[in-house]
Amino acid sequence: GESVGLHLPTLSVQEGDNSIINCAYSNSASDYFIWYKQESGKGPQFIIDIRSNMDKRQGQRVTVLLNKTVKHLSLQIAATQPGDSAVYFCAENDYAGGTSYGKLTFGQGTILTVHP
Amino acid sequence: SQTIHQWPATLVQPVGSPLSLECTVEGTSNPNLYWYRQAAGRGLQLLFYSVGIGQISSEVPQNLSASRPQDRQFILSSKKLLLSDSGFYLCACQRGLTPLHFGNGTRLTVT
Repeated sequence: GESVGLHLPTLSVQEGDNSIINCAYSNSASDYFIWYKQESGKGPQFIIDIRSNMDKRQGQRVTVLLNKTVKHLSLQIAATQPGDSAVYFCAENDYAGGTSYGKLTFGQGTILTVHP
Repeated sequence: SQTIHQWPATLVQPVGSPLSLECTVEGTSNPNLYWYRQAAGRGLQLLFYSVGIGQISSEVPQNLSASRPQDRQFILSSKKLLLSDSGFYLCACQRGLTPLHFGNGTRLTVT
């Protein structure tokens, strides 16, 4: 089936820098995208989502960018902190196609390490 | 806000033994419920989902089954575990157009 993948498996940054985590998706019918943060031994924690009628959405210190032309999604974290160290997953869903909103296709994840 | 309870947090079971993982949800009613599995160092794979009591949809053929005996209870079971059933099992819930929300999972090791 179609899948969502990540360009970089690991990312190391210094505290205070901005981080950018990228994600490519292959299902052109996908219309909902979501980012999760997962700390060791815990379940994924929702960060931010975006629907395909938007190309940018901002939250607290995070921004998601969606480029439907090249099927690319990115998560930007401003002023990265050591507490941001975790695995980050992107996921997608083709809700308009009748897929249940919680039926997500996940990428493999990117490990973000923030050095103090 | 909704809270998902999963137990146990960790479990070690021998091959061929049965399995029962329980998930209960608080703070919402009529949720859609999901079981995902995460293999070590990998993304999450959807196993089952349920839109109501007694309604179960299976996403992948496997050695596991799911049941939803109550609105906010979702159970993952197996009659005989295989080594390949080891993994991190996550229960999740979602309602309407809200994002999927996960519990803290059960780490299952089949030996």
